Amino acid sequence: NAGVTQTPKFQVLKTGQSMTLQCAQDMNHNSMYWYRQDPGMGLRLIYYSASEGTTDKGEVPNGYNVSRLNKREFSLRLESAAPSQTSVYFCASSEGTSGANVLTFGAGSRLTVL
Amino acid sequence: DAKTTQPTSMDCAEGRAANLPCNHSTISGNEYVYWYRQIHSQGPQYIIHGLKNNETNEMASLIITEDRKSSTLILPHATLRDTAVYYCIVRVAPSLRSGGSYIPTFGRGTSLIVHP
Repeated sequence: NAGVTQTPKFQVLKTGQSMTLQCAQDMNHNSMYWYRQDPGMGLRLIYYSASEGTTDKGEVPNGYNVSRLNKREFSLRLESAAPSQTSVYFCASSEGTSGANVLTFGAGSRLTVL
Repeated sequence: DAKTTQPTSMDCAEGRAANLPCNHSTISGNEYVYWYRQIHSQGPQYIIHGLKNNETNEMASLIITEDRKSSTLILPHATLRDTAVYYCIVRVAPSLRSGGSYIPTFGRGTSLIVHP
């Protein structure tokens, strides 16, 4: 049981390049989330998907797009990377979005934009 | 939104109890209090959650005040491996647009250092 798997673990991009971060969960969870964490900061929500077929913006969605490909997979795309997007990205999932749901996180994807 | 306030840092001696406080004075009646921790730069790990009553599991105890405006996470016998950043969060009440989704919002947390 792998839980939440993120790929890649590390990535270096040049300004203006595009890339997609992949996330997959094997817990049959309905809801999935993308957070970013900058040095010394807490996690900030970028986008989330309450259920398959739905996505919604979080606190810091600008510069990102997401796709809920199916129930298992939720990808995050940077169309034109900027140095301000250098961060650690965490994907998480939960059974649902009601107040009693626990989040399970992936190990993170470290992105550097030069 | 129910915001939380935590001390920036704390330290604790190994083998002693670590008591991490959290204030959430604007919490709503149906919002849960959650605790997660993040070791180094790994993904956050769930510890415990509660609504009104005190809770205990194999990792920790959660004490919630009667008025629900604050809580304390207790690690009964802290070890060096408990050195981490601890986040107290309240599941944010849904906006009309989010259609009933409670979205976890993380602050900066408390950096706990357990020393020998």
